Amino acid sequence: GENVEQHPSTLSVQEGDSAVIKCTYSDSASNYFPWYKQELGKGPQLIIDIRSNVGEKKDQRIAVTLNKTAKHFSLHITETQPEDSAVYFCAATLTNQAGTALIFGKGTTLSVSS
Amino acid sequence: NAGVTQTPKFQVLKTGQSMTLQCAQDMNHNSMYWYRQDPGMGLRLIYYSASEGTTDKGEVPNGYNVSRLNKREFSLRLESAAPSQTSVYFCASSERSGRTDTQYFGPGTRLTVL
Repeated sequence: GENVEQHPSTLSVQEGDSAVIKCTYSDSASNYFPWYKQELGKGPQLIIDIRSNVGEKKDQRIAVTLNKTAKHFSLHITETQPEDSAVYFCAATLTNQAGTALIFGKGTTLSVSS
Repeated sequence: NAGVTQTPKFQVLKTGQSMTLQCAQDMNHNSMYWYRQDPGMGLRLIYYSASEGTTDKGEVPNGYNVSRLNKREFSLRLESAAPSQTSVYFCASSERSGRTDTQYFGPGTRLTVL
């Protein structure tokens, strides 16, 4: 089955710096890689995703890159702000005869200090 | 639209008691999921339902049962609760499985088993 590794587990940056979170996956059949942000006491929310036919995707200060050969993908946040402080999860698809579900990494706690 | 709703928000059980966590979505989504979240472990898939009438096991199904009552509702049952099931439980839904669609999460149920 699919296995997703996420690093680092914690990340502290100064406001305005960039933050990078990296994930690796094991199943070469995975074709969808979303990133979720979870604020304290809330459920995760999708912030950006990338499909296997794309190498990079940007949305304002957030970008995701995918290297299918190496089976890793990364989240890049530029010009970080205090409101970016949260737990971030990467995920990859798990597919069997019943359908498709997501397997999540263990999360990265990002702290942005002003 | 309320999105994904979960009841109850909090629950305390004694070992051996049973309970059902309720989840409903009003987005006409086909697929629904149950995850548990433990510190340092990320989100782990318990069960999912690719479409009405089907369910399948995820990463950690032992000790749980599910029912896809109709297209809107997907319940998770603990028949004999154990302290190891103390966790935060999240329900999610997506438009369809087998495709790479966004999963929308509910606010979570915080369960403590004494």
